[in-house]
Amino acid sequence: NAGVMQNPRHLVRRRGQEARLRCSPMKGHSHVYWYRQLPEEGLKFMVYLQKENIIDESGMPKERFSAEFPKEGPSILRIQQVVRGDSAAYFCASSPYRQGGGYTFGSGTRLTVV
Amino acid sequence: GIQVEQSPPDLILQEGANSTLRCNFSDSVNNLQWFHQNPWGQLINLFYIPSGTKQNGRLSATTVATERYSLLYISSSQTTDSGVYFCAVGDGRGETSGSRLTFGEGTQLTVNP
Repeated sequence: NAGVMQNPRHLVRRRGQEARLRCSPMKGHSHVYWYRQLPEEGLKFMVYLQKENIIDESGMPKERFSAEFPKEGPSILRIQQVVRGDSAAYFCASSPYRQGGGYTFGSGTRLTVV
Repeated sequence: GIQVEQSPPDLILQEGANSTLRCNFSDSVNNLQWFHQNPWGQLINLFYIPSGTKQNGRLSATTVATERYSLLYISSSQTTDSGVYFCAVGDGRGETSGSRLTFGEGTQLTVNP
């Protein structure tokens, strides 16, 4: 079981470019969550998805950010027209369908906007 | 939304010492997890513990849901225990595990040799 796979591990983008972050959940997990961690801070919820559905996006900025979890393939977090303030670590987690399981986090993508 | 407060914010120990980390939360929860973020940034799930007590080696955790707090115990600490310990809670309803987790600000633990 490969765990939650995130790529890339590090991503450098110039201001105004697009960033695409990918997350493949653990086998058998049907829930995917994205969190953002600014330097020296805790994790902030962004979005919760199941296959082909956004369940809760209350933590997503209203503009420039979007997420999807298609029927086939990984979940994608997309940031358009990046700004310096988007520089952060973005973590993906997955959990099983039934209660009683904890989250498993991926290793994160460190986004740096220059 | 649910508020999560962790204490202490910082803790420095000598190797071999024991410690207790606390997590208070402001509302009823049915999902509580403890995580360790190591110095390389990796987040490791330590416990899924919405209520009761669990033990895993030198670590144990207790959640008293009716009083809205959880405790993480670390015994005989080692330098590899250094990092940030996060408590996270959720109030998802129903039989599925899915719900957003609200994280505390963490306890920064440093274990010196």
